[in-house]
Amino acid sequence: EPEVTQTPSHQVTQMGQEVILRCVPISNHLYFYWYRQILGQKVEFLVSFYNNEISEKSEIFDDQFSVERPDGSNFTLKIRSTKLEDSAMYFCASSKTREETQYFGPGTRLLVL
Amino acid sequence: GESVGLHLPTLSVQEGDNSIINCAYSNSASDYFIWYKQESGKGPQFIIDIRSNMDKRQGQRVTVLLNKTVKHLSLQIAATQPGDSAVYFCAETQSGYALNFGKGTSLLVTP
Repeated sequence: EPEVTQTPSHQVTQMGQEVILRCVPISNHLYFYWYRQILGQKVEFLVSFYNNEISEKSEIFDDQFSVERPDGSNFTLKIRSTKLEDSAMYFCASSKTREETQYFGPGTRLLVL
Repeated sequence: GESVGLHLPTLSVQEGDNSIINCAYSNSASDYFIWYKQESGKGPQFIIDIRSNMDKRQGQRVTVLLNKTVKHLSLQIAATQPGDSAVYFCAETQSGYALNFGKGTSLLVTP
């Protein structure tokens, strides 16, 4: 069964450093998403992406964040200058259409020191 | 009920019993609802979904009930097994894009 994959599984970085989190969505899916989950809290929406454009973003997704689909398979989330409060699990998800189920990857655990 | 910070509502059931996990949502315009299961250290795993034009949907050992009048969603798991132990989240969306997740319920299945 096709799955969303994410790399790395864990990332430790120093405050102020840039990080890039990578995702490979399910191959025939056209909509891509990033969510985050701070330890012990609920999953929060960051951004959705379709046709090489951001289609929706939350208040969390400020100028420090960007997303890109650099090739036909990868979908990345970049945090330009990490802050302590960016420490969280970051989940990528994809869906075939906007109305269909979003399937999640295993997540990247980001720790900012 | 509501939970704050690290404190999730917890449901403890015996193996073989039926489980019912509840969720309240606030957006009356939401039209698509999903239940996800999250095991420790893993991503949310799709269990079952329902659209607003239905009030009940059944899967394998799971049933979702939707009451739009009181904005309530429930997940019923039949014959609960130890492998069902996880945190369960409901999520809702209005016409796609951002999923709005609930705070989760921890299900603990005891032998």
